[in-house]
Formats: sequence, structure tokens, C-alpha cells
Amino acid sequence: DTEVTQTPKHLVMGMTNKKSLKCEQHMGHRAMYWYKQKAKKPPELMFVYSYEKLSINESVPSRFSPECPNSSLLNLHLHALQPEDSALYLCASSRQLAGGSDTQYFGPGTRLTVL
Amino acid sequence: GESVGLHLPTLSVQEGDNSIINCAYSNSASDYFIWYKQESGKGPQFIIDIRSNMDKRQGQRVTVLLNKTVKHLSLQIAATQPGDSAVYFCAGLSGGSYIPTFGRGTSLIVHP
Repeated sequence: DTEVTQTPKHLVMGMTNKKSLKCEQHMGHRAMYWYKQKAKKPPELMFVYSYEKLSINESVPSRFSPECPNSSLLNLHLHALQPEDSALYLCASSRQLAGGSDTQYFGPGTRLTVL
Repeated sequence: GESVGLHLPTLSVQEGDNSIINCAYSNSASDYFIWYKQESGKGPQFIIDIRSNMDKRQGQRVTVLLNKTVKHLSLQIAATQPGDSAVYFCAGLSGGSYIPTFGRGTSLIVHP
């Protein structure tokens, strides 16, 4: 199984809503990532988890709150988002954060629209 | 820091032709490169990778060439098919860094 799954596929929310994005992998990977991707742009790194601990936060606003409940799951909690936060949110995983040569496997993404 | 970019934003080819997508990088310490394919509505998909101790690597219908002298790599797709239509990203990593730096992306359009 080399699949990263993400739910929901699409999400529309208002600026006062609270919602969560979910990501799951069963490849035994110990590094998991959240990326944000705007149309026609490359993915931008948001957060990195290694062995369920937050390793990198790329100065992401606090209205985005990541959580890694266990080695297979990664959540992104959303609260008080702005319309400019509308984007494709990608989850990825890799074996570990070491050596710089572990391929990242991406999920299909959640298309988020903030009204 | 690392800067990875692509020469052309869009490449249009006829079905059956060979496609070449180029990528330049600025960090001479970069030692590992990946090509990703992203189809509409999907996440990036790993295609092929190459380490800096190699100058060529072949996969199924794809070949990646690395020229460290001019800091350039390319992705060649043989006998391009409509299913190859997608955005292609190159990504580079330098020693000690485990987060790839993505280039801007090239949109490949294959005409039947």
C-alpha cells in the first residue's frame, strides 16, 4: 500500500467555521507533511511532523493548527480562516526525515474554499 | 538558498512526439533531484529521481538528465501520450536538508 488518503476531497467553509482536514497513511512512514498549493503554483510547505512531533512550522498563522494523533494520522484544524486561505491542501509522507533522499508520497489533496 | 525553476511555463506537443521539460537550479550543493507529475485535481506523483553522482537515469518512457556543470536537469518523455498531460515539477534537495524545494512547474499539453 503506497497510498496517502485525505478527507474530505472538497470543503467549503465560512470565516467563522471550525473544520478539520484529515490525512492517513499505512506505509509505516514516520514523517508527515502539510502543504498548501495555490492554482498554477508549486506546493508550499506548512508543517512537518517527525515521529509524531512537530519539527517544522513555516511561520504558518495560528488559524491553522496541526495535530498528529499517531504515526498514521495527520490532522489540520482550521478556524477563522480568510478567503485567501482558499487553496488545495496536500498531505505527504516519507519514511523519515533523514538524509534528504526519502521520496515524499502525496495524497490527492483537499480543495478548500473559504467564503 | 535553494532556487529551483523551470524554463517554460507551458509545453505543447503532438501525441507520439518526445517531450523535454527543463529545470535549472542555483544551489551547487544540491545533491538529489526529483520530478513530480501533477494531474488536474490530484496531488503530485513521483516520477523519477536522480542523485548528483549520476548524470542520467532511465525509467519507463522517462529519462532524467543532470548537468551539474551548468546546474540543469531535464525530463524527457518518449512517445508522449494524452495521459501525460499534467503539470511537471522538479524539486531539489541539498545535503542536510530533507525538504524538497519545488520549481515553478511546467504544464505539458499533449494534442491527439
